[in-house]
Amino acid sequence: QSALTQPASVSGSPGQSITISCTGTSSDIGRYHYVSWYQQHPGKAPKLMIFDVSDRPSGVSNRFSGSKSGNTASLTISGLQAEDEADYYCSSYTTSTTVLFGGGTKLTVL
Amino acid sequence: EVQLLESGGDLVQPGGSLRLSCAASGFAFSIYGMGWVRQAPGKGLEWVSSITNSGADTYYADFVKGRFTISRDNSKNTLFLQVNSLRAEDTAVYYCAKDKSRSLGPIFDYWGQGTLVTVSS
Repeated sequence: QSALTQPASVSGSPGQSITISCTGTSSDIGRYHYVSWYQQHPGKAPKLMIFDVSDRPSGVSNRFSGSKSGNTASLTISGLQAEDEADYYCSSYTTSTTVLFGGGTKLTVL
Repeated sequence: EVQLLESGGDLVQPGGSLRLSCAASGFAFSIYGMGWVRQAPGKGLEWVSSITNSGADTYYADFVKGRFTISRDNSKNTLFLQVNSLRAEDTAVYYCAKDKSRSLGPIFDYWGQGTLVTVSS
């Protein structure tokens, strides 16, 4: 199975909002509500930011939100801050009882 | 505080084997599913395998093709990944991750710092 499709990079200025897309198929994102998003700073372990499409773990800022439409999930970060600069990965459960990750998106805060 | 501490990564020749371990603490290990996710140098995350809380069910990425085996010892709060027939493309940091559910959520809510496996002659 191929990885989920994410843009390689996105950028925004402090205070702005950005959205990262994650496109899959009817066998993964389109079929299940099991989409998660992870943030990874350089040299660090990934951190869960969103699960089940739009739920936030305790302690994650409400500036982070998730949604899904058809085979595409999205992560929106509002009120961009310098510390949001990182790599972001989506993931989804699949009909093959496996997990797919996206290729990752590098967020640059200008 | 949840802690996951991986070990066992090393430099190994193609065709070789390693046993990766993940010592868990700070949560009821036997209640949650666990998984392994890897990241090749400069590349993205790639799910490798997951196991249910009891160890009764295991799940693998297609590329594993019988080379890797995930297991757990709930009496010792430890997760394992036996990796055999290693190839250069298996070179990566291997992360241990806790699932938010008993099975394959898959919601990895806590991650270790990773252990580096390098496959090279």
